Amino acid sequence: AQTVTQSQPEMSVQEAETVTLSCTYDTSENNYYLFWYKQPPSRQMILVIRQEAYKQQNATENRFSVNFQKAAKSFSLKISDSQLGDTAMYFCAFMKHPGGATNKLIFGTGTLLAVQP
Amino acid sequence: GAGVSQSPRYKVAKRGQDVALRCDPISGHVSLFWYQQALGQGPEFLTYFQNEAQLDKSGLPSDRFFAERPEGSVSTLKIQRTQQEDSAVYLCASSLVSTGYGYTFGSGTRLTVV
Repeated sequence: AQTVTQSQPEMSVQEAETVTLSCTYDTSENNYYLFWYKQPPSRQMILVIRQEAYKQQNATENRFSVNFQKAAKSFSLKISDSQLGDTAMYFCAFMKHPGGATNKLIFGTGTLLAVQP
Repeated sequence: GAGVSQSPRYKVAKRGQDVALRCDPISGHVSLFWYQQALGQGPEFLTYFQNEAQLDKSGLPSDRFFAERPEGSVSTLKIQRTQQEDSAVYLCASSLVSTGYGYTFGSGTRLTVV
């Protein structure tokens, strides 16, 4: 079974600074996807960034980038130039490669990020 | 619609009461998921539909939980004889097909059982 671990329950960063959120996972699969989702107080889970395991290049989306270390099973999220609107819960999630009956997401327990003015 | 719509947004139920939670996915989305998110935790998978077929219900915690999607669009999650441990946010998500691009989530229903 796959598991996702986020060891930082809370993080704080000053506005305009850079912060890195950690995520490790455990799987015996070779092909899979990894995601970071943001959940603001509105509760809606918003996709921040995704990484395909077979791609060595780290994914980047504007101020958000990941450091994907497949051998170490590590998938950290770096947020550059932090903004007040980045304040939210951040969840790391794993999905097996599509092809099975259920492509469910397996989530970590989340990291609460507070951006301070 | 433009997004995944869930109703009600909040529900307070007395212990033992039956509740029904509704999910309206994005039009044309084939895949639909229900997740349960306890306070301070990440979402946990409950069940999966492909059109009207419930292909996986392995995450449903007990036989008090029942989900349906009779016409392959709107889905209802029903909880019978609610108990305090059922208190959580119930999230619905949909996608066009079952892909590795993640899903679009709704804003959830917060269920409080008193």
